[in-house]
Amino acid sequence: GAGVSQTPSNKVTEKGKYVELRCDPISGHTALYWYRQSLGQGPEFLIYFQGTGAADDSGLPNDRFFAVRPEGSVSTLKIQRTERGDSAVYLCASTLTGELFFGEGSRLTVL
Amino acid sequence: GQQVMQIPQYQHVQEGEDFTTYCNSSTTLSNIQWYKQRPGGHPVFLIQLVKSGEVKKQKRLTFQFGEAKKNSSLHITATQTTDVGTYFCAGPEGNEKLTFGTGTRLTIIP
Repeated sequence: GAGVSQTPSNKVTEKGKYVELRCDPISGHTALYWYRQSLGQGPEFLIYFQGTGAADDSGLPNDRFFAVRPEGSVSTLKIQRTERGDSAVYLCASTLTGELFFGEGSRLTVL
Repeated sequence: GQQVMQIPQYQHVQEGEDFTTYCNSSTTLSNIQWYKQRPGGHPVFLIQLVKSGEVKKQKRLTFQFGEAKKNSSLHITATQTTDVGTYFCAGPEGNEKLTFGTGTRLTIIP
């Protein structure tokens, strides 16, 4: 596609539920990043993929968070047993040469 | 881990005035990138600096990378309303993990 696509754009869920956020990167971009951004804050690194493998997952806050990229393209960020503190905008970005191209983000609200 | 701080956190300027944001890293960086995020939008890449002491210009924007490669600055000359947004610097931790700064939010008073 022309840009990084993220779905859903908005997700409202209840505390304790499971959510999946999807990212479709720019075609041909080998690297994919997930960030989380809270209001008034900078993007917080979560995980980075190079191809299919997670090259660095040091930013995942705990074991409720997991991300996959099984075919080296689309990635899914999975959050189990959501908590109110998980509410944020989840940003996906892809790159080929270093500069990141971000999607519009998925705004997650946990009630 | 690496920390990237920016000052000021907020800046309000009259349209036509200049604006500068400063970025400081706790570690030496191989390169530094700058991004702009409009209100309600997502970060958009502006530029990457690689060399010690490097200065790059994009129209009214001037970017500088410090000699020690631990700090950087973005200067906007004669601000316009289209410059409104939050400016982030970002530096790699290790080879690939990009750590974003705390950002400087610029508002313009017409």
